Amino acid sequence: DTEVTQTPKHLVMGMTNKKSLKCEQHMGHRAMYWYKQKAKKPPELMFVYSYEKLSINESVPSRFSPECPNSSLLNLHLHALQPEDSALYLCASSQASGVSDDYEQYFGPGTRLTVT
Amino acid sequence: QKEVEQDPGPLSVPEGAIVSLNCTYSNSAFQYFMWYRQYSRKGPELLMYTYSSGNKEDGRFTAQVDKSSKYISLFIRDSQPSDSATYLCAMRGGSNYKLTFGKGTLLTVNP
Repeated sequence: DTEVTQTPKHLVMGMTNKKSLKCEQHMGHRAMYWYKQKAKKPPELMFVYSYEKLSINESVPSRFSPECPNSSLLNLHLHALQPEDSALYLCASSQASGVSDDYEQYFGPGTRLTVT
Repeated sequence: QKEVEQDPGPLSVPEGAIVSLNCTYSNSAFQYFMWYRQYSRKGPELLMYTYSSGNKEDGRFTAQVDKSSKYISLFIRDSQPSDSATYLCAMRGGSNYKLTFGKGTLLTVNP
């Protein structure tokens, strides 16, 4: 099973709202990722968690706040977003570097976010 | 020079054709190479994963890596309308979480 699940599938929120995106995997992977993808562009890395600790923050604005409650779950808390933040938000998971460099990264189906 | 170059297409072929998709890269530290297929409004699906130079075959798909030329390819044999999607190449160095993607090639296979 190489499944990464994400909820919700679609989300519409106003600029003053607070919402959260959720991601789950049961592959025993210890690295989890958030990506943002705009239309007709490749995914852009936002955050990486390794062994439930934040490993990489690609200079993402603080209105995006990641959380990794346990090794299977990853959340992205959203607050005071702007219309230009509308995009497909993708979660991914993989084995963690250090155990072995040879690992594959699997993506979830994404949450399509619209900020009004 | 961008780290990874991929022709965005679009590429349109008849059903049954052999499709060749390519990426070039400039960073000699890249060791792991991937091809993802992404249908419209869906997440990327891992198709092929290869380490270093060589070929890997999986059904109708063959991935080639030529590290000396910094060139990777994905071949699709007997292409089907269901192969119509955007194909993204991606690569990374060892002990490095960050994937570097090509821009993606939009493929349409016409029945």
